[in-house]
Amino acid sequence: DIQMTQSPSSLSASVGDRVTITCQASQDISNYLNWYQQKPGKAPKLLIYDASNLETGVPSRFSGSGSGTDFTFTISSLQPEDIATYYCQQYWTFGPGTKVDIK
Amino acid sequence: EVQLVESGGGLVQPGGSLRLSCAASGFTVSSNYMSWVRQAPGKGLEWVSVIYSGGSTYYADSVKGRFTISRDNSKNTLYLQMNSLRAEDTAVYYCARAKYSSGWYPFDYWGQGTLVTVSS
Repeated sequence: DIQMTQSPSSLSASVGDRVTITCQASQDISNYLNWYQQKPGKAPKLLIYDASNLETGVPSRFSGSGSGTDFTFTISSLQPEDIATYYCQQYWTFGPGTKVDIK
Repeated sequence: EVQLVESGGGLVQPGGSLRLSCAASGFTVSSNYMSWVRQAPGKGLEWVSVIYSGGSTYYADSVKGRFTISRDNSKNTLYLQMNSLRAEDTAVYYCARAKYSSGWYPFDYWGQGTLVTVSS
């Protein structure tokens, strides 16, 4: 089985800060990496698919990059409404999540 | 407009059974890959099962042999039959549609979730 590590598990940042989350696979997964945002009590929302493609309607401050084993998710300028937990997904498996808070 | 509406959750005793439903509108269930994803209280997302458009089904090891995914094309509805339920199956269960992409199949639409509680 392919192991996924996601880091950090949580972070606090100020409004306007650049936020970066990483996901690492234990073996090459090409671009089979998606990113989701989940707010408390809500269903997850697809933000980035195929490692770097922005889902329709998602603000451009969200971006993704990487291929193979190392992937990065970035919020270029953190907004109050971005407070959520973010998950990467490789194949059908989800990473453990990163909780993002406002400092 | 694409919508997914789950139902069928509730309180069930250990060893019991429950069937979840996910009624879809705005697209055809049988033409898409459809999945169930669950989230235990305070925990992360766990993929449970998928049914491909061709009918093939796959399961997480944690539910293999106990859960069965299926669909009713005439009702445009996805199901999850859950047998031999355990306390660790307690979770909110989401149905989700996987869209086609050049990579793996991202879940672009999700239902609101239905809570399953396994307890005596």
